[in-house]
Formats: sequence, structure tokens, C-alpha cells
Amino acid sequence: KQEVTQIPAALSVPEGENLVLNCSFTDSAIYNLQWFRQDPGKGLTSLLLIQSSQREQTSGRLNASLDKSSGRSTLYIAASQPGDSATYLCAVRPQTGGFKTIFGAGTRLFVKA
Amino acid sequence: SQTIHQWPATLVQPVGSPLSLECTVEGTSNPNLYWYRQAAGRGLQLLFYSVGIGQISSEVPQNLSASRPQDRQFILSSKKLLLSDSGFYLCALKGTGHNEQFFGPGTRLTVL
Repeated sequence: KQEVTQIPAALSVPEGENLVLNCSFTDSAIYNLQWFRQDPGKGLTSLLLIQSSQREQTSGRLNASLDKSSGRSTLYIAASQPGDSATYLCAVRPQTGGFKTIFGAGTRLFVKA
Repeated sequence: SQTIHQWPATLVQPVGSPLSLECTVEGTSNPNLYWYRQAAGRGLQLLFYSVGIGQISSEVPQNLSASRPQDRQFILSSKKLLLSDSGFYLCALKGTGHNEQFFGPGTRLTVL
């Protein structure tokens, strides 16, 4: 059974700092991995999608990497800003199990001005 | 680009009352649609998913049900709400030919 774990559960950093959020999954047989952002009381916003054949994806100050063999992904945020404060969720789509996506519990990020 | 609408945005209901949450999508055809629940301080729990009209798969036994009367409409229902049904309900889609999942704005349900 696929399980997704995100560490740390919460993180507080000063503005301008570079930071890394971690995501691990137990079964390397995945189609893709997706990172989301969720602001309080809002839906999820897709940030980056990495296909199983890819090693990383970049969008602006965000870079996500995928190491399928070790069951790990990282989300790197460069030069963090207070507007980056949100909960970041990682989700994997297993190769088996139909159309389901398995989510981690998220990392709550607070960037201090 | 696809858009997901959820109605209502917030809802307060007494225990034992019925429920109907609506999700409609635009900008895509024949999407896979999903209902998730996010309880306070917890991750997303997949409740139902649908690959087409009238096709519903249930992930968790509960007093909720789902229906897909039209290609772009997904409805979450209950005949009698429980206190434990409180949470944030999110509708999501995955378009055909796409691997990326997109979410609606959510409905905050409080059962008193």
C-alpha cells in the first residue's frame, strides 16, 4: 500500500532564505508526483508535476526533484517571501490502483517578514 | 483552461439533515472527477471518483454517496449527516490526456 510522508510537518523561516521541503513514498511504482500549495480555507493549487521518467521540474523560484528509486521528492523554494506562507502538499499517482492519487499530510510553511 | 466550481462555499447543517454538494467543471470533456474530504489538521481523504457519467467508485464506507448525472457535474450527497461529516470538501478533476490534477475552491461543511 502506497504511503506518502512529508517532513517537516511545519517550518518557520526568515524572508529570503532558501528552503527544502521533503516528500517520501513507499512504493516506487508511480506514474507521477505532484506538488500543491494550499492557502488557509482554500482549494489546492498545482505547483509542479513530475512524470515518472523525469528527474526535476522548475517553475520560477520553485524546483521539484524526483528520485523514484529511493522514493523521494524535494521541493526547493529559493529566496522565500512572506507570500510563500502556505501548506505544501505532495501527491503521487501509483501505477496500480486505477485513478487514485495518494496525498501526504503536508508541510505548513511560515515565512517571516 | 479548465475551471472547477463548487457550491455552496460554506454550509452549516444540523445532525441528521440531508446534504447535497455540487461540483461543476468547464473547459474539459470526459474528465475523471474526484471528491476529497480534508478534516482539520489531517490530510486529504479520497471519498469517490468517477471516470464517466453514472460511474462512481467509493473509497471509504460511509453515509455519503456520489452521483454523476452529467459529464461535467459531480454531486456529493447524504441522507442523514453525522457530526463526523464536518470538514472541507474538495472536488478535483484530471483531464483526458493529462496527468495533472486540479482542484476546486472547496466547500466548508460544519455539522452541529
